[in-house]
Amino acid sequence: ETGVTQTPRHLVMGMTNKKSLKCEQHLGHNAMYWYKQSAKKPLELMFVYNFKEQTENNSVPSRFSPECPNSSHLFLHLHTLQPEDSALYLCASSQERTDTQYFGPGTRLTVL
Amino acid sequence: AQKITQTQPGMFVQEKEAVTLDCTYDTSDPSYGLFWYKQPSSGEMIFLIYQGSYDQQNATEGRYSLNFQKARKSANLVISASQLGDSAMYFCAMREGRYGGATNKLIFGTGTLLAVQP
Repeated sequence: ETGVTQTPRHLVMGMTNKKSLKCEQHLGHNAMYWYKQSAKKPLELMFVYNFKEQTENNSVPSRFSPECPNSSHLFLHLHTLQPEDSALYLCASSQERTDTQYFGPGTRLTVL
Repeated sequence: AQKITQTQPGMFVQEKEAVTLDCTYDTSDPSYGLFWYKQPSSGEMIFLIYQGSYDQQNATEGRYSLNFQKARKSANLVISASQLGDSAMYFCAMREGRYGGATNKLIFGTGTLLAVQP
């Protein structure tokens, strides 16, 4: 595996379900990110982890709960979501001291 | 205030021709970085090219070049010899803050949808 991988690629869930999105990077990077991409809106940064420590939370509702057990893995735990949470969720990683973020293929989430 | 502006929601270009995608930015930070990403219909955001605010020359990566005009705060992407596979959304993004900071917060524009016609 190379680059940044995300699973699942597609997810449909009800508002009462609990699910998790997984991201794994094989680039040896130290920082990982969750972004949300809704239709016709710019990408929105949700969370940033640097060396497994959360360094940024962009006022994300508590129904989204991130977890970073190590520098290679990042999870986004979802529970009691709303239909407006339907979006493409992108994970990215970067070296701490370089500028470029490399993205995974995303998880397309639909909340019914 | 919007920090990254992409004024072209959509563009058409003939195969093998060059196309310019516009991007203007707004920042008072003297140190910043500018990025272009490509997003095909599959969803993955693919890094194309980077320009640092202190770089003296315009960045180039294969068929991609960045026309960086600092005084005008513009960072247009030029794609030469367009190919059908270039059809995608293109996003301009900016990172503010000093190089090597603990986090790299990117601010994205709304994107330009490019369609390459045979």
